[in-house]
Amino acid sequence: GAGVSQSPRYKVAKRGQDVALRCDPISGHVSLFWYQQALGQGPEFLTYFQNEAQLDKSGLPSDRFFAERPEGSVSTLKIQRTQQEDSAVYLCASSLGTSGGSYEQYFGPGTRLTVT
Amino acid sequence: GENVEQHPSTLSVQEGDSAVIKCTYSDSASNYFPWYKQELGKGPQLIIDIRSNVGEKKDQRIAVTLNKTAKHFSLHITETQPEDSAVYFCAATAPRIGADGLTFGKGTHLIIQP
Repeated sequence: GAGVSQSPRYKVAKRGQDVALRCDPISGHVSLFWYQQALGQGPEFLTYFQNEAQLDKSGLPSDRFFAERPEGSVSTLKIQRTQQEDSAVYLCASSLGTSGGSYEQYFGPGTRLTVT
Repeated sequence: GENVEQHPSTLSVQEGDSAVIKCTYSDSASNYFPWYKQELGKGPQLIIDIRSNVGEKKDQRIAVTLNKTAKHFSLHITETQPEDSAVYFCAATAPRIGADGLTFGKGTHLIIQP
């Protein structure tokens, strides 16, 4: 079946612009995660949704970062007033299981954001 | 919070030899330890995982071992092939209600020499 998809795959933004990154999880997956991966580093957790509820946003680096999943399926990560330090690959993952369990997370290909 | 250390950062082995990547974690409550393979320009791919009630798990040429006392887990790849060349990440999580995010190590760049 289809895996996790993300769009766009590449995004170039001028400093100060707003961007929106989309994630389509695997159908039926309850949990959705966003991670940020800097060049040469491991992914870092940003935020977690169980269905439409955002249960953990402890990893969001500033109030310029906002995520939503209004219908419990597709999710959007929005970054306002982008800064150069926001340049990274943004990864989305989905999992069949619910909060408190240890379920496999499947990742999408990522969106590479470059802020100039 | 959880902290995951991964070694080595780069590992070069001859084709056909074995490769071992090691990770340590800090949170004794962690009970799920996945390993991911990431190729250039792609997202991480889950290759094997282990839960804390198991000491070892094997899937063909790949095996993972877990030592809960030492808070240490390792990935073993036998009979390495050129297609095994990639960056490998270990991760850990201590699932709590509303908080299932993975904590990743910094990655190991595995190079298979022909």
